[in-house]
Amino acid sequence: GAGVSQSPSNKVTEKGKDVELRCDPISGHTALYWYRQSLGQGLEFLIYFQGNSAPDKSGLPSDRFSAERTGGSVSTLTIQRTQQEDSAVYLCASSLGGTGYSGNTIYFGEGSWLTVV
Amino acid sequence: SQQGEEDPQALSIQEGENATMNCSYKTSINNLQWYRQNSGRGLVHLILIRSNEREKHSGRLRVTLDTSKKSSSLLITASRAADTASYFCATPGGTSYGKLTFGQGTILTVHP
Repeated sequence: GAGVSQSPSNKVTEKGKDVELRCDPISGHTALYWYRQSLGQGLEFLIYFQGNSAPDKSGLPSDRFSAERTGGSVSTLTIQRTQQEDSAVYLCASSLGGTGYSGNTIYFGEGSWLTVV
Repeated sequence: SQQGEEDPQALSIQEGENATMNCSYKTSINNLQWYRQNSGRGLVHLILIRSNEREKHSGRLRVTLDTSKKSSSLLITASRAADTASYFCATPGGTSYGKLTFGQGTILTVHP
């Protein structure tokens, strides 16, 4: 697609339920990232994929969070047994190869706003 | 902990004025990027400056990098109401070359 696509745009869920957030990166981008942003805060890194593997998952806050990427394309972030503190915007991004020291620009989706009630 | 930290946290100016935002970081880097975010949604890349560059321009944007002080600044000249947004600096994160670490951001408000 033309840009990074995320779904759903907004999700309200009850505490304790599981949620799945989907990210469709820009075609051809091998690197994919998930970030989380709480209201009025900066971006918190969650996980980075290069192809289907995740060389850096250091930002996942607990074992309730998991992510996978299949076919080097679509990624799903799953939050199990959601808690109120999980409420945030979850941003997905992709780049042509890794960014960091290579300096590739990363392109963000519009985010999935998760509210846990 | 955050690699980049912006200041000020918030900046309010009138249209036509210049806006300067600063970013400090902790570890050695080989590049630094600036991003803009409207209304808490997706971020948009503005400019990248490499460690061997001291200054870079893009339209009304001017970025400087001082590696000896581990700091960068973003200057927006002749600001417009449409420049109202949050601005973040981003640096290569820790030991992983694959990700960027973002600062807390500066909220810029430009009044018409």
